[in-house]
Amino acid sequence: DIVMTQSPDSLTVSLGERATINCKSSQSVLYSSNNKNYLAWYQQKPGQPPKLLIYWASTRESGVPDRFSGSGSGTDFTLTISSLQAEDVAVYYCQQYYSSEYTFGQGTKLEIK
Amino acid sequence: EVQLVESGGGLVQPGGSLRLSCAASGFIFSSYNMNWVRQAPGKGLEWISCIRSSSSAMFYADSVRGRFTISRDDARNSLYLQMNSLRAEDTAVYYCAREQGSGSYQNYWGQGTLVTVSS
Repeated sequence: DIVMTQSPDSLTVSLGERATINCKSSQSVLYSSNNKNYLAWYQQKPGQPPKLLIYWASTRESGVPDRFSGSGSGTDFTLTISSLQAEDVAVYYCQQYYSSEYTFGQGTKLEIK
Repeated sequence: EVQLVESGGGLVQPGGSLRLSCAASGFIFSSYNMNWVRQAPGKGLEWISCIRSSSSAMFYADSVRGRFTISRDDARNSLYLQMNSLRAEDTAVYYCAREQGSGSYQNYWGQGTLVTVSS
């Protein structure tokens, strides 16, 4: 199985500041035939199902604010929130869908300072 | 509007069985791969199973392989998860989720159904 490891486990950021979450996969999730990274980011707020934010490592889902961005390739990825808003308090997960057995990172809890 | 509604959760004793259902609407169900993802209380997300369109292939996480069976009924627009030999560690909210394309991210999720395994 591909193991996904996120860092940090929790993060406290001031309103309006940048938040950065990292995700590392135990093997590359870059598919050479199409040059796509099979990596997604999800946001989950308490009592709600996960919400897709980013797919193919850097493509923003429709309706997701442009303060959310994804970057990286191969085994190292980053989710950046450029200017933290109060409604961004949530747990964030990365997920690989490169292998048939999808796996999630352990999650990063984002809070307001 | 895409909707996924899970049902069938509840309290079951260790070693028991339960069948979860997910009713889909708002899209051509038969054309999409479907997944089950679970979340134990206070814990992270765990992908557990996927069934491809036309039931052409099924995949399982190691933690449930041999005990859980995923299936679908395209005529009823429904996804199922048969859970046998349940353990306390299977206690979780179970979500069904639709993939956007084959072997792809999940862009629609249900609200989940809670399964509690306890004596």
